[in-house]
Amino acid sequence: AAGVIQSPRHLIKEKRETATLKCYPIPRHDTVYWYQQGPGQDPQFLISFYEKMQSDKGSIPDRFSAQQFSDYHSELNMSSLELGDSALYFCASRFTGGRGMNTEAFFGQGTRLTVV
Amino acid sequence: SQQGEEDPQALSIQEGENATMNCSYKTSINNLQWYRQNSGRGLVHLILIRSNEREKHSGRLRVTLDTSKKSSSLLITASRAADTASYFCATDAEHVVTGTASKLTFGTGTRLQVTL
Repeated sequence: AAGVIQSPRHLIKEKRETATLKCYPIPRHDTVYWYQQGPGQDPQFLISFYEKMQSDKGSIPDRFSAQQFSDYHSELNMSSLELGDSALYFCASRFTGGRGMNTEAFFGQGTRLTVV
Repeated sequence: SQQGEEDPQALSIQEGENATMNCSYKTSINNLQWYRQNSGRGLVHLILIRSNEREKHSGRLRVTLDTSKKSSSLLITASRAADTASYFCATDAEHVVTGTASKLTFGTGTRLQVTL
């Protein structure tokens, strides 16, 4: 079965550079979530999209932005990178459909971003 | 503050023993999901339990949900060394605008170590 695909798997950037992380959700899933996980930490919610519209916003820095495209893939853009942005970034997708049709959320393997 | 708190934070058992992890949350939920994460790897979906369900089984996993106490437990029976990982619970509620599932809010996780 198709899973959530994230690219790249690893990324090394220098401070003040820009990074773009991509997420390809499971086909027919209408919701995408982005999470950041620091070493030894639990995943922190950044932002989510439902049917290509932003649905929730968490603790996402102003330097970060995200969007979901017509083909449902999503990109997380990170500018002016700081050392503290080094973390695992996860994307998840699920099909929610409508009220009461809540289903499992599946995560990608993540992108490990290292800022040096 | 985190929606979910898990205990214990760390658990060490021998192969063949049962492992029980608990998760508590603060607000009303639609669903609670359990995930496994090996160090630095992706979050693997284990099981979803809806707010109107009290117990669910999947192989060696048994999940209970007590909405009156706002808590859930994950039992892994006959543990194996390969079960060594961190385990997270994640809750969601009904999105106030779309009516579908809101963001997932993670607990702090339990690190399970299964020794031979």
